[in-house]
Amino acid sequence: QSVLTQPPSVSGAPGQRVTISCTGSSSNIGAGYDVHWYQQLPGTAPKLLIYGNSNRPSGVPDRFSGSKSGTSASLAITGLQAEDEADYYCQSYDSSLSGPGVFGGGTKLTVL
Amino acid sequence: EVQLVESGGGLVQPGGSLRLSCAASGFTFSSYWMSWVRQAPGKGLEWVANIKQDGSEKYYVDSVKGRFTISRDNAKNSLYLQMNSLRAEDTAVYYCARDRAYSTVTQAGYYFDYWGQGTLVTVSS
Repeated sequence: QSVLTQPPSVSGAPGQRVTISCTGSSSNIGAGYDVHWYQQLPGTAPKLLIYGNSNRPSGVPDRFSGSKSGTSASLAITGLQAEDEADYYCQSYDSSLSGPGVFGGGTKLTVL
Repeated sequence: EVQLVESGGGLVQPGGSLRLSCAASGFTFSSYWMSWVRQAPGKGLEWVANIKQDGSEKYYVDSVKGRFTISRDNAKNSLYLQMNSLRAEDTAVYYCARDRAYSTVTQAGYYFDYWGQGTLVTVSS
């Protein structure tokens, strides 16, 4: 059971817009800690996709965007492409735990 | 270019030991906290341990406390994870990652901006 809750799967057709939610609690997202997102393509290591709720590292297309409100955050992908098919993980800091990072359970994005 | 390259994974029997290494390049290794993050087969990501720039602070997830030891050698730009008393549930791909932390008046966060390719640890008889 992950501290941050994500839907197990989402899907969309090429060109469409999809969103992935990440729900936390008052000890993590709700406490004001920022949310970060990672993309894990099949068989590869995770890659930082969004940091600080809505910032994209250099090289990440602007089709990817993030937002945060209250105890939840969302990742939006517009203009869906086949190469976006991957697992997506949200991550934040939790003041009730000893570690620096708590992850969501991950969401599998399928491009139809 | 930042690079993190893990090594040392393999098959080990329950109760056995293994030492993972992570060779860092492309950045000033001694300036960053570093972490180990693992992923069990078909499962999500789990932070395992991290270490301060000079090695003076170390933190662990509860499930590995007393069994795993994180360390670093800044002269060799290397991060290590000594894993003892291994259990079947420790089976996972282990990634080393560079930590980034920040705190301002309006924002605070902790994330991992670069990851290695991972090394597989299998604990089985």
